[in-house]
Amino acid sequence: DAGVTQSPTHLIKTRGQQVTLRCSPKSGHDTVSWYQQALGQGPQFIFQYYEEEERQRGNFPDRFSGHQFPNYSSELNVNALLLGDSALYLCASSVQGVSGYTFGSGTRLTVV
Amino acid sequence: AQSVTQLDSQVPVFEEAPVELRCNYSSSVSVYLFWYVQYPNQGLQLLLKYLSGSTLVKGINGFEAEFNKSQTSFHLRKPSVHISDTAEYFCAATNAGGTSYGKLTFGQGTILTVHP
Repeated sequence: DAGVTQSPTHLIKTRGQQVTLRCSPKSGHDTVSWYQQALGQGPQFIFQYYEEEERQRGNFPDRFSGHQFPNYSSELNVNALLLGDSALYLCASSVQGVSGYTFGSGTRLTVV
Repeated sequence: AQSVTQLDSQVPVFEEAPVELRCNYSSSVSVYLFWYVQYPNQGLQLLLKYLSGSTLVKGINGFEAEFNKSQTSFHLRKPSVHISDTAEYFCAATNAGGTSYGKLTFGQGTILTVHP
């Protein structure tokens, strides 16, 4: 049973560019959440998607946007990249209403 | 607003010694609590969770945690650690229902280093 799959694993982008990160949830899960983990910090909640809609959002600017597809997979888009966006981006999937979150291995984004 | 504080940023310990990693939370509503472990360059793995019921929760790899509502704490313990337990540990909380349910708030992490 595959867990949460994230792609790519590593990415280097230039300041000002745009990036798209992808997440496939664990089989049977319908909710996807995204987190940003800066070096030496705990993960910070970006947003959560359920039924193809953004249900909750953390304290992140509008440059961060997302999408959920009918097969429950999700994308995180970041526009106008800043050096401070360099971080590990984690995707977590769950079943709506059930407290069990499975995390992927993350995408390491480096902005230069 | 909800917050999670891990009281130690680093905990060094010798192999086979006991260890306690401390976590306090602040919330105006009931919470669910979690401990995750993160090995270098990897994602988060769930160690254990408290949702309701017994305040002593047992998890994987011999870890356990105790929920103390009066002290708003959820400390993680292991009676005898191994070299392989060297990793970073995160305490996390989410509201037990309501509009913020499902949003995990994490502590800053505790790096556990087990020495031979």
